[in-house]
Amino acid sequence: GAGVSQSPSNKVTEKGKDVELRCDPISGHTALYWYRQRLGQGLEFLIYFQGNSAPDKSGLPSDRFSAERTGESVSTLTIQRTQQEDSAVYLCASSQGQGGYGYTFGSGTRLTVV
Amino acid sequence: AQSVSQHNHHVILSEAASLELGCNYSYGGTVNLFWYVQYPGQHLQLLLKYFSGDPLVKGIKGFEAEFIKSKFSFNLRKPSVQWSDTAEYFCAVNGEGTDKLIFGTGTRLQVFP
Repeated sequence: GAGVSQSPSNKVTEKGKDVELRCDPISGHTALYWYRQRLGQGLEFLIYFQGNSAPDKSGLPSDRFSAERTGESVSTLTIQRTQQEDSAVYLCASSQGQGGYGYTFGSGTRLTVV
Repeated sequence: AQSVSQHNHHVILSEAASLELGCNYSYGGTVNLFWYVQYPGQHLQLLLKYFSGDPLVKGIKGFEAEFIKSKFSFNLRKPSVQWSDTAEYFCAVNGEGTDKLIFGTGTRLQVFP
């Protein structure tokens, strides 16, 4: 597609439920990144995909967080047993190569855990 | 490890004032540097980037940034701000050979008419 597409744009969920966030990168972009932006804070790196492998998962905050990617296409970020501190905007970005090319960001998914 | 510091958390200016937002990074090798902007209700957009060559980089909407290697800095400047520049600005660094961008905590700019 023309840009990075994320869905849903907003998600309200009850504490303890699982959620799945989707990212559709720009066609041909081999690298895909997930970041988290909590209210009033900067962007926190979560995970990076090169193709469908994840060389860097160092930012995933706990084992409740996981992500997968199908080929060089769609990625899903799953949060199990959501907690209130998971409330944030989850941003996806894609890039032609590694980070040095710069990213194109999606508009994010605003997750609210109540 | 890479890190980025943005010292100005919130900047308030009147239209036509000059702007300089600070960005310092920590990395021992060659870097690529970026400024991203997030307008209210919109997604992050690339404002400008430095890979190599002329350390003074010009971006969109009259913004520029200067890479000063000796100071590990990449400050963003604009001679005369407009109300439409109200946004959050993020500096980011990518160390050569590393995979991802590391972002600063952002600077919120408010411009009053």
